Amino acid sequence: DTGVSQDPRHKITKRGQNVTFRCDPISEHNRLYWYRQTLGQGPEFLTYFQNEAQLEKSRLLSDRFSAERPKGSFSTLEIQRTEQGDSAMYLCASSLGGLAGVDSEQFFGPGTRLTVL
Amino acid sequence: GENVEQHPSTLSVQEGDSAVIKCTYSDSASNYFPWYKQELGKGPQLIIDIRSNVGEKKDQRIAVTLNKTAKHFSLHITETQPEDSAVYFCAASTSDDMRFGAGTRLTVKP
Repeated sequence: DTGVSQDPRHKITKRGQNVTFRCDPISEHNRLYWYRQTLGQGPEFLTYFQNEAQLEKSRLLSDRFSAERPKGSFSTLEIQRTEQGDSAMYLCASSLGGLAGVDSEQFFGPGTRLTVL
Repeated sequence: GENVEQHPSTLSVQEGDSAVIKCTYSDSASNYFPWYKQELGKGPQLIIDIRSNVGEKKDQRIAVTLNKTAKHFSLHITETQPEDSAVYFCAASTSDDMRFGAGTRLTVKP
């Protein structure tokens, strides 16, 4: 499968614990995005990377959230001190783009569903 | 920032009928408008997109129209089939971010 993959697919954790998700984009894609999706809503943009550089962060990304893409390939999203309100589907997407902007087709992974008890 | 409104939230049609989903956006700098289909347990999948320099685009049974003056764009699915049943999202993108509508749950009854 050469699409975007995410791991784990499901995560159940207790409030206050830290969690880390991984995203492997399509190999030749230089851009990688993280979104959060709650039930009945569209994906909400969190952040995106151009190669290893994090270019944009949403106001939704509180200081408990951190994302990295150290070698410009896979990315991790960590949530520290999880809260019940963090329960959502976390989606990763990748695209092949130019120097800046998000105006090219994004390919989404299957998502990681987080449940915070 | 960008705000995308999508209507209707649910849509039920008979197989073979057409389905139309409409979206409006607020940021005149938006220049890329994709439509995604999301099935249960899967990530969104692009079905068609349109850029701001084009008014209409068609791909087999799917078409999208864009009115930049009015800041609205629409998805048209003709000859609907049961496998078209899913949640559809519109999105509007500037150079900084992409905003999605809340989604339309389309049900095609056989």
